[in-house]
Amino acid sequence: DTEVTQTPKHLVMGMTNKKSLKCEQHMGHRAMYWYKQKAKKPPELMFVYSYEKLSINESVPSRFSPECPNSSLLNLHLHALQPEDSALYLCASSHAPGLAGYEQYFGPGTRLTVT
Amino acid sequence: GESVGLHLPTLSVQEGDNSIINCAYSNSASDYFIWYKQESGKGPQFIIDIRSNMDKRQGQRVTVLLNKTVKHLSLQIAATQPGDSAVYFCAENPSYGKLTFGQGTILTVHP
Repeated sequence: DTEVTQTPKHLVMGMTNKKSLKCEQHMGHRAMYWYKQKAKKPPELMFVYSYEKLSINESVPSRFSPECPNSSLLNLHLHALQPEDSALYLCASSHAPGLAGYEQYFGPGTRLTVT
Repeated sequence: GESVGLHLPTLSVQEGDNSIINCAYSNSASDYFIWYKQESGKGPQFIIDIRSNMDKRQGQRVTVLLNKTVKHLSLQIAATQPGDSAVYFCAENPSYGKLTFGQGTILTVHP
């Protein structure tokens, strides 16, 4: 199984809402990632979790709050977002950085629209 | 034809042709490189990778070439098919846990 799943596929939320994006993998990977992708642009790294601990935060605003409850799950909690946060949010997983073969496998993404 | 992966260029080929997609990476400390394919509405899909101690790696219908002297990466697709139409991204690993993507190249394959 080389699949990373993400829910929901689409999400529309107002600027005062609180919502969460979910990601799951069952490949035994110990590194998980959140990326943001705007239209016609490459994915941009937001957060990296390694062995369930946050190892990289790319200066992401605090209205985005990641959580890694266990080695298979990754959440992104959203609160008080802005319209410019509308984008495709991608989750990825890999073997822990520094180990051989740490290509990242991506999920299909959640298309987020902030109104 | 060739493209440089800095301005989301496009490459248009006929089915059966060979395609070459180029990428200039930025960080000389990067030791690992990946090519991804992204179809409309989907997440990036791993194609092939290469480590900095290699200059060529082959997969099924794809070959990646790495020139560290000029910090250049290319992806060659043999006998391109309509199903290969997508955006192709190179990505480099400049430091622990990070993957930095190039701007991407749109490949269109005409039947």
